[in-house]
Amino acid sequence: EDKVVQSPLSLVVHEGDTVTLNCSYEVTNFRSLLWYKQEKKAPTFLFMLTSSGIEKKSGRLSSILDKKELSSILNITATQTGDSAIYLCAVGSGNTPLVFGKGTRLSVIA
Amino acid sequence: DTEVTQTPKHLVMGMTNKKSLKCEQHMGHRAMYWYKQKAKKPPELMFVYSYEKLSINESVPSRFSPECPNSSLLNLHLHALQPEDSALYLCASSQDRKAYANTGELFFGEGSRLTVL
Repeated sequence: EDKVVQSPLSLVVHEGDTVTLNCSYEVTNFRSLLWYKQEKKAPTFLFMLTSSGIEKKSGRLSSILDKKELSSILNITATQTGDSAIYLCAVGSGNTPLVFGKGTRLSVIA
Repeated sequence: DTEVTQTPKHLVMGMTNKKSLKCEQHMGHRAMYWYKQKAKKPPELMFVYSYEKLSINESVPSRFSPECPNSSLLNLHLHALQPEDSALYLCASSQDRKAYANTGELFFGEGSRLTVL
């Protein structure tokens, strides 16, 4: 059975800190890994990763995939209170619908 | 603003009521999805439609009845729900040709928050 595990499950940091969120997966026929941010409503798309070692960046957020380690990290630098959210990782295998991890709940305090 | 529109945003219903949730997208996506999300949990897949045909039903109770009248619309008909069905219901679409095995970005609507009394 395909599996996606995120760690930590929750995290509290101070504004200005840098955080690293982890996502590891066990899927047959890996095709893609996606990161989403969810505040109070719908998840919003952050990144899609398909190739190992290529960093994707958007402002203070960046992500990279390591296919050897079957994992990805999401980095957020200079965190702000607006970064407080649940960060979801999902993996596409081409065999089943996207499999979601349980998410990491990030709280950024002033 | 999301390009997937869901109505209503909030719905309160009794256990004997019949109501419907609606979802619309105009991105030309032929894969559409219903997810259920409880508090502090990830989205849980309910149904997948591919080219207006039901592709996946994740063993959802028959009190939830999906319908895809055309390529832009997706409905979820609700009847005789239970209090434990209270949740955020998310509609999504994607460009994937194989909706049952999607690998690309899911475009989510803002969700319909359902409370069953």
